[in-house]
Amino acid sequence: AQSVTQLGSHVSVSEGALVLLRCNYSSSVPPYLFWYVQYPNQGLQLLLKYTSAATLVKGINGFEAEFKKSETSFHLTKPSAHMSDAAEYFCAVRGFDSGSRLTFGEGTQLTVNP
Amino acid sequence: DAGVIQSPRHEVTEMGQEVTLRCKPISGHNSLFWYRQTMMRGLELLIYFNNNVPIDDSGMPEDRFSAKMPNASFSTLKIQPSEPRDSAVYFCASSPSGGINSPLHFGNGTRLTVT
Repeated sequence: AQSVTQLGSHVSVSEGALVLLRCNYSSSVPPYLFWYVQYPNQGLQLLLKYTSAATLVKGINGFEAEFKKSETSFHLTKPSAHMSDAAEYFCAVRGFDSGSRLTFGEGTQLTVNP
Repeated sequence: DAGVIQSPRHEVTEMGQEVTLRCKPISGHNSLFWYRQTMMRGLELLIYFNNNVPIDDSGMPEDRFSAKMPNASFSTLKIQPSEPRDSAVYFCASSPSGGINSPLHFGNGTRLTVT
């Protein structure tokens, strides 16, 4: 079975500062990893996904994530935060041993201060 | 592409009443998922379908919950009888295939309040 752990349920940054949201995974088989974003009163929207083609994955809105097998991590970053980035972010994992099941982390609420 | 469409957006009902949540997946998607989101438990997978067939319903909390997918363009999640602890946001999502690298596309959810 696979799982993800997001370190920090709340992260606060200043506008223009680096955004770093942490995600560590546990999987007995090579995982497929995803980051989703949820704005208030909306569903989840895919930011990016890792599918083993490249370890550095670029997504929408200037976000990117790097898959590090040695650290079992898939942290999400953005060089410069915008006010519009304030939302909740979810890391998720899917593995061959889980069929189609997508397992989400607990989520990280990002606040961007002016 | 209209995306995944869920109805109603909000539902307020009294304990003991039957509640039916509806979902229209994206046309051509053959996998459909029902999730529940609460502050305490986060996002929980309740059930998913491939080609209209339920594959895994191990997340359905109790017999009070049931889900159907009579055709490729429609699914329902029913709670009967409803209880206050069922209050949550229920999301439907669809995916182009059962492949594990296929992302899920989510609807905007139904916020259920049971009083």
